[in-house]
Amino acid sequence: EAQLAESGGGLVQPGGSLRLSCAASGFALSDYWIHWVRQAPGKGLEWVSRINSEGKSTIYADSVKGRFTISRDNAKNTLYLQMDGLRVDDTAVYFCARVLPRSAVWGQGTLVTVSS
Amino acid sequence: EVVLTQSPGTLSLSPGERAILSCRASETVISTYLAWYQQKSGQPPRLLIFGASNRATDIADRFSGSGSGTDFTLTISRMEPEDFAVYYCLLYGDSLTFGGGTKVEI
Repeated sequence: EAQLAESGGGLVQPGGSLRLSCAASGFALSDYWIHWVRQAPGKGLEWVSRINSEGKSTIYADSVKGRFTISRDNAKNTLYLQMDGLRVDDTAVYFCARVLPRSAVWGQGTLVTVSS
Repeated sequence: EVVLTQSPGTLSLSPGERAILSCRASETVISTYLAWYQQKSGQPPRLLIFGASNRATDIADRFSGSGSGTDFTLTISRMEPEDFAVYYCLLYGDSLTFGGGTKVEI
């Protein structure tokens, strides 16, 4: 069974950094594009970033562009999201997701809280 | 950039009633890439409908999707207690575009 599992969330001060990980099991991460999606408390889903299967093409939402970096280590079957310059409004549950037109696999999410 | 607008924001129903949820795109989209998700509190979203009208694996037949162009609809024929949740439409592409969600409450 294909699964994703996020880790690395926690409490960080404004301006700080955090690196999230997303470990895949049951399938080869290298075969798929993977997305990061976040959800602020009580709010809707917001797409954050996407990386292609080779890791050479990445795109970002305007809200995180220049501050977040998505990357992958296919040998470790793991995806990363490096978050720098964190702001209070980055507080959210962060999901990694393998989303295709006909199917989807989502992790359970990891909570990032940005607060002083 | 396509914007997906869902209505209503909140839908108050009783078990056994029909739910009709709308998702309107700001421009014509390809139906193949329009999906509906259900999300319950503390859980990740779950795929219900793909390609605008196709039920995903293990999804009950009381869920149905329809529409094309700019207007799409998710219908739940008879609400079951476990169906009270938030529903999102999603447009798949180079990125992911989500609607704002419809909360279906008792």
